[in-house]
Amino acid sequence: GAVVSQHPSWVICKSGTSVKIECRSLDFQATTMFWYRQFPKQSLMLMATSNEGSKATYEQGVEKDKFLINHASLTLSTLTVTSAHPEDSSFYICSAFRTSGTDTQYFGPGTRLTVL
Amino acid sequence: AQKVTQAQTEISVVEKEDVTLDCVYETRDTTYYLFWYKQPPSGELVFLIRRNSFDEQNEISGRYSWNFQKSTSSFNFTITASQVVDSAVYFCALSEAPDSWGKLQFGAGTQVVVTP
Repeated sequence: GAVVSQHPSWVICKSGTSVKIECRSLDFQATTMFWYRQFPKQSLMLMATSNEGSKATYEQGVEKDKFLINHASLTLSTLTVTSAHPEDSSFYICSAFRTSGTDTQYFGPGTRLTVL
Repeated sequence: AQKVTQAQTEISVVEKEDVTLDCVYETRDTTYYLFWYKQPPSGELVFLIRRNSFDEQNEISGRYSWNFQKSTSSFNFTITASQVVDSAVYFCALSEAPDSWGKLQFGAGTQVVVTP
């Protein structure tokens, strides 16, 4: 089956620094990728839709200047958490949407971010 | 407004018991998809099933079965003869309308604990 990878799988950083998380579709091209955030013992919340070659679409309440999304190629989307603070500590999960054949979404394994 | 409701926060069963997870959804669209995902302690989402709104047939896959009832807007999930490996958080999710394919709205999740 299709595979989506995320890097890093976990990261610890100091408050005020920026962290970049990569999401790659390994064996298919994805014009659309999604970024979700999951706080401990909570559900997944969609943060933004990442479209290849265009600006990301952010969900209500998500700061676009804080969570920078770049989808520069058909297999890579990056999420940069700028000036991270402890409240940004969360599990970030991406998904890639495969539109060839049956429309199917594949999730990455997630990235656990801890901001000290 | 919450579009996917999983009223059961946690269900504890003894191995070999059956467990049914409830999911009630809300949508005005006539075309939509419903999903179930499993999230073990590792955090990685495991896809279980996708069902489109036009297919109300119940489905069985091994020990898993799903009951989709449009009349009650429910998409319930049953694990038969539960095993310890079934311990995880299970999420029901909804994807609406063609222009939002891929954007998943998750329920709060149900923690299933299976003890030997």
